Amino acid sequence: EDQVTQSPEALRLQEGESSSLNCSYTVSGLRGLFWYRQDPGKGPEFLFTLYSAGEEKEKERLKATLTKKESFLHITAPKPEDSATYLCAVQAKAAGNKLTFGGGTRVLVKP
Amino acid sequence: EAGVAQSPRYKIIEKRQSVAFWCNPISGHATLYWYQQILGQGPKLLIQFQNNGVVDDSQLPKDRFSAERLKGVDSTLKIQPAKLEDSAVYLCASSSNWGADGYTFGSGTRLTVV
Repeated sequence: EDQVTQSPEALRLQEGESSSLNCSYTVSGLRGLFWYRQDPGKGPEFLFTLYSAGEEKEKERLKATLTKKESFLHITAPKPEDSATYLCAVQAKAAGNKLTFGGGTRVLVKP
Repeated sequence: EAGVAQSPRYKIIEKRQSVAFWCNPISGHATLYWYQQILGQGPKLLIQFQNNGVVDDSQLPKDRFSAERLKGVDSTLKIQPAKLEDSAVYLCASSSNWGADGYTFGSGTRLTVV
């Protein structure tokens, strides 16, 4: 069974204080690892897809990396508007299009 | 491009009552998903449709939950009878292929069962 564990559960940062979120996964044949951002009262918003170990993707202050067992989402010099819950999900080759999500990391950036 | 539309946004019902949620996916997206998100947790897949056929409903509590996607477009998810533990946000999402560009989620329906 595919499993995704995210840590920490919650993260409080000062504006400008860089940090990293962790996503550990177990999947039989990874097709892709996805990162989403979710604001309160809204559905998850797609950020990145990573396909193979060593791959990196960036978007503004966010950078996602992937190894064979985990992914990291680095937030560089965060701003208050980066406050959100960040969700990680895996898609297995044998599971069709199904995404299996982790529990998320709630990030609060204080000015 | 218009997003995924869901209604209603909020619903409060008593336990043992029935409720239905509606979803209109992005035009042209063949795959539609219903996810359940309990407060403080990540979304969990309930059912996946490819056009109007069911691809995966292994985690759908079939004794009380049902879903359909008529004509391969809109979809409805029904709960009958509802239990307290069904309180959650029900998210609908759609994708054009296997989701390489990520699913597009709707804003969800927040269900409270009292």
